[in-house]
Order: sequence, then structure tokens, then C-alpha cells
Amino acid sequence: QQQVKQSPQSLIVQKGGISIINCAYENTAFDYFPWYQQFPGKGPALLIAIRPDVSEKKEGRFTISFNKSAKQFSLHIMDSQPGDSATYFCAASDKLGWNAGNMLTFGGGTRLMVKP
Amino acid sequence: GAGVSQSPSNKVTEKGKDVELRCDPISGHTALYWYRQSLGQGLEFLIYFQGNSAPDKSGLPSDRFSAERTGGSVSTLTIQRTQQEDSAVYLCATRQGANTGELFFGEGSRLTVL
Repeated sequence: QQQVKQSPQSLIVQKGGISIINCAYENTAFDYFPWYQQFPGKGPALLIAIRPDVSEKKEGRFTISFNKSAKQFSLHIMDSQPGDSATYFCAASDKLGWNAGNMLTFGGGTRLMVKP
Repeated sequence: GAGVSQSPSNKVTEKGKDVELRCDPISGHTALYWYRQSLGQGLEFLIYFQGNSAPDKSGLPSDRFSAERTGGSVSTLTIQRTQQEDSAVYLCATRQGANTGELFFGEGSRLTVL
């Protein structure tokens, strides 16, 4: 059962536009929501993360919006640049202690292409 | 090393052969994970090691898959009698602390089973 659903699977945005990627989760115990960025041939790297005690977190051009009641969160990339072209994964976790086996459940990924 | 190191970066093998994939974690990171990424797909959890505790093997897809971690450092993922559906990128990730959510990933080992 997929616990984190991500959409769209692919996205094409013009340079300077806003890229929006959405995720929905089912497990109400999730309390940590990171986004990972993966360039071709590289491993994913943490981009930005949010806890449910805030509704929005911004770091530079990247913003996470979080809607706890709807069990949804999204990534917004403002002023998108060709260098942002990558695959983006949302993820969620319900525990961060050492007993956390499968600590991150990942969405299916979104391949973003920013056209110059 | 500065980051998570995986080898080989690419492996082509014939169906039925065994393969070993290696992961050298970031020094001091006691938690180590293996994930599988199939073409165009998300990240599938395989196995988790934490210190000297018994590993969480709940994500291993079949008994052909096994992994070990020696001395709490280097880890090896072994796939026996490989099948074409095993073709994927196998990613290793490590974590520094119990309350730190960030995973540091290696660049992966791309496995192709002919």
C-alpha cells in the first residue's frame, strides 16, 4: 500500500515560472516531511523539510506548504531555473528514533524539466 | 571519506549469477539503509542497520536478497541467482543521529541483469 502519493509524475516549466509538486499521505502519525532532490546519476539529497507544527517553510526559492487537516503537502519552486531540472521526491516519517526501520516512506517522484 | 561511497557504480551480470554491492558509510554514521530505485520509480526500502542491533529486513523482496554490515561500518548487499527484475539502482544511505531525519545517499550501484 502506497502511503505517500506524489503528483505529477513529470512537469515541464518555463524558466522563471513556478513549479508545484504535490504529495498526499495516509498515516496520520507522520510528523516529518522532507523533500529530496536527485540529479541524474546522483543519489537523492535533502532539499528542505517541515514538521507539522508549521504550515509553511521557505528556504530561498523553495517553499513547503503543509495542510495537516487535508494530509497534504507541496513543494513550490519560485523563479524556476534550468539548473532545478531534476527528480524530486517527497517523503514522510512517523518516528525518528533508533527503532525506526523504514523511517522514510518516499513518494513516487516527479521529474521536473525547466526550459530555458 | 566525505560522503557515502558505493561500488561498483555499474554492474552488468547474467541472469542466475550472484552479485555483491558495497557501501562505505560516512564516518560516525551508525544508521545505514539500502534502497532500490527501479527505472522511473520511487525509492523502495530494503534493509536497515543500526549499530549492533539486529537489522530490519522487512523490505527485502525475496530470500535471494541479503545484506550484512561488518563492524558497524561497511555494508554489503548480496543478490543471489539474479533475475531480470532485479535490474535497478541500489542506493545506500546513512544517518547521523537518532533525532536527525536527514539521510545521506551514495550515488548508487546500477545493476543490469541480462
